[in-house]
Amino acid sequence: KQEVTQIPAALSVPEGENLVLNCSFTDSAIYNLQWFRQDPGKGLTSLLLIQSSQREQTSGRLNASLDKSSGRSTLYIAASQPGDSATYLCAVPMYSGGGADGLTFGKGTHLIIQP
Amino acid sequence: DAMVIQNPRYQVTQFGKPVTLSCSQTLNHNVMYWYQQKSSQAPKLLFHYYDKDFNNEADTPDNFQSRRPNTSFCFLDIRSPGLGDAAMYLCATSSREQGYTQYFGPGTRLTVL
Repeated sequence: KQEVTQIPAALSVPEGENLVLNCSFTDSAIYNLQWFRQDPGKGLTSLLLIQSSQREQTSGRLNASLDKSSGRSTLYIAASQPGDSATYLCAVPMYSGGGADGLTFGKGTHLIIQP
Repeated sequence: DAMVIQNPRYQVTQFGKPVTLSCSQTLNHNVMYWYQQKSSQAPKLLFHYYDKDFNNEADTPDNFQSRRPNTSFCFLDIRSPGLGDAAMYLCATSSREQGYTQYFGPGTRLTVL
């Protein structure tokens, strides 16, 4: 069963900075990896999904990379804005090779962008 | 817009009084999930349906049951809620055609008095 770790647990930066959030997982035999955003008291919004055969995915100011062999993923946020303030969660399928399995989540990075 | 809908958004129940949470989807996804998220914790999978096949997690308490009467709807039944069951309950869907990207509903916040 997977274990997911996210570093840092919290991050506060001034508006406009580029930043990197880190995620690591214990079993490299993943089907995919997904990054989510969660605002306080709300559900999860899917940001990016990287299939196991891919190295990165981009959406607007967000870029996610995947290095399966080392069990790591990063989420890069360019030109941060106060509206980016939220908790960012990384998740992988719970069991090796499973795609439809439920997800194991990291504890998240709580991000604050200072105006 | 295609989406995942959860009702109610907020539910208050009394200790031991059964409660049912509802999830519906217009995405026509064949996989549906229920997660429990307690305050300041990561979401934790309770169970999921692959089509009509029910998959229970080993550590999900017997107090939690689920029904999926058709592709669009899935219900979470908590038979005898305890104070420790107060949490946000999140429903999600996925499909092979979309690479099993999971799409989440807004959640139901359950309070147990």
